[in-house]
Amino acid sequence: GQNIDQPTEMTATEGAIVQINCTYQTSGFNGLFWYQQHAGEAPTFLSYNVLDGLEEKGRFSSFLSRSKGYSYLLLKELQMKDSASYLCAVMDSNYQLIWGAGTKLIIKP
Amino acid sequence: IAGITQAPTSQILAAGRRMTLRCTQDMRHNAMYWYRQDLGLGLRLIHYSNTAGTTGKGEVPDGYSVSRANTDDFPLTLASAVPSQTSVYFCASSQAGDNNEQFFGPGTRLTVL
Repeated sequence: GQNIDQPTEMTATEGAIVQINCTYQTSGFNGLFWYQQHAGEAPTFLSYNVLDGLEEKGRFSSFLSRSKGYSYLLLKELQMKDSASYLCAVMDSNYQLIWGAGTKLIIKP
Repeated sequence: IAGITQAPTSQILAAGRRMTLRCTQDMRHNAMYWYRQDLGLGLRLIHYSNTAGTTGKGEVPDGYSVSRANTDDFPLTLASAVPSQTSVYFCASSQAGDNNEQFFGPGTRLTVL
């Protein structure tokens, strides 16, 4: 079966750095996505990785290792507005997205 | 219209009733999707459409139907609602390309009693 695993909840301090991990087992791989979802709102796109390595975009970076079935999202200089759920999703061989349950990130002052 | 709109925003429905959730996009994306999101679970694909005139079944299609008469609209119909269909429903669209990023509508919160 297809499976995406990520921690249910994480807590971090404003101004700090946090790493959210995602491991996956899917039938085929056509890229890995990270989305941010604030409570009561729609998911919004953060990043896309299809090749191994680190993609940096401002305070957010995303890493992929296809051989290990592993990705992480790194958030730097945390702000209170970063409190949200972070969703990991893998595009499978049919070009459909398989979603993890999301990691709820709580930022404390 | 800017992006994707969904209607209604929320709805309470009696079991056994028929309900259509509406979704419209103005980005001329060829692909559209319907997901449901339940607490503790990831987004689950109900139905999708890769282009106008075609539809496909996702992970959890039972009890739902869709149509794609044109590029912009992708309605989702519950023929006879059941309480297990209580959920938040998101419509999304994407344009085939480098990363197939999906853009989401604001969601419809549906409660079936």
